[in-house]
Amino acid sequence: ETGVTQTPRHLVMGMTNKKSLKCEQHLGHNAMYWYKQSAKKPLELMFVYNFKEQTENNSVPSRFSPECPNSSHLFLHLHTLQPEDSALYLCASSPPDPPSSYNEQFFGPGTRLTVL
Amino acid sequence: DQQVKQNSPSLSVQEGRISILNCDYTNSMFDYFLWYKKYPAEGPTFLISISSIKDKNEDGRFTVFLNKSAKHLSLHIVPSQPGDSAVYFCAASALISGANNLFFGTGTRLTVIP
Repeated sequence: ETGVTQTPRHLVMGMTNKKSLKCEQHLGHNAMYWYKQSAKKPLELMFVYNFKEQTENNSVPSRFSPECPNSSHLFLHLHTLQPEDSALYLCASSPPDPPSSYNEQFFGPGTRLTVL
Repeated sequence: DQQVKQNSPSLSVQEGRISILNCDYTNSMFDYFLWYKKYPAEGPTFLISISSIKDKNEDGRFTVFLNKSAKHLSLHIVPSQPGDSAVYFCAASALISGANNLFFGTGTRLTVIP
């Protein structure tokens, strides 16, 4: 399988549940990202991992907890979420070279999360 | 505060005509600008980009223009085709801690009418 994959594609959870979103990339990239897209808002960067090290947090609430065990996998652990956390969560990855800000990001299809 | 803005949430164009999508930004430190296209139930896919040292980049039917003094860029699609109907996101790139960070606009939904 190629590209960036995300599972599950849809998730409904209660506020007391604990769930995890998974992202996997088979592109040999070294940087991976979590974005949140709420209705009528721009994509918001949540977390950045570069060579498995988290480099950006962007003041995301602690009820969102990322994990990057290796450069191909990225998780977003969710616990005690709020209804306003309902959104589309997108994962992306970008290649290691050249080291410039022009590194196209490749996106997965996203997980549509609904918090009841 | 939003650093990249797309002020038109939607645009309808007749097939064969030109589609012009606009984007404004506030941070002069951005060094690349990108356009992404998104179909329903799919993630955004890269369409075209431009370096801040250029003012035009063309790829087939797609051309991006950059006006640095006005902090404005636009995407021109000509001729427009029904398959171009999608949401188009403008993004600006900055290198932060060794990884490129993209700042997105809210998107413009383009509808090309056959």
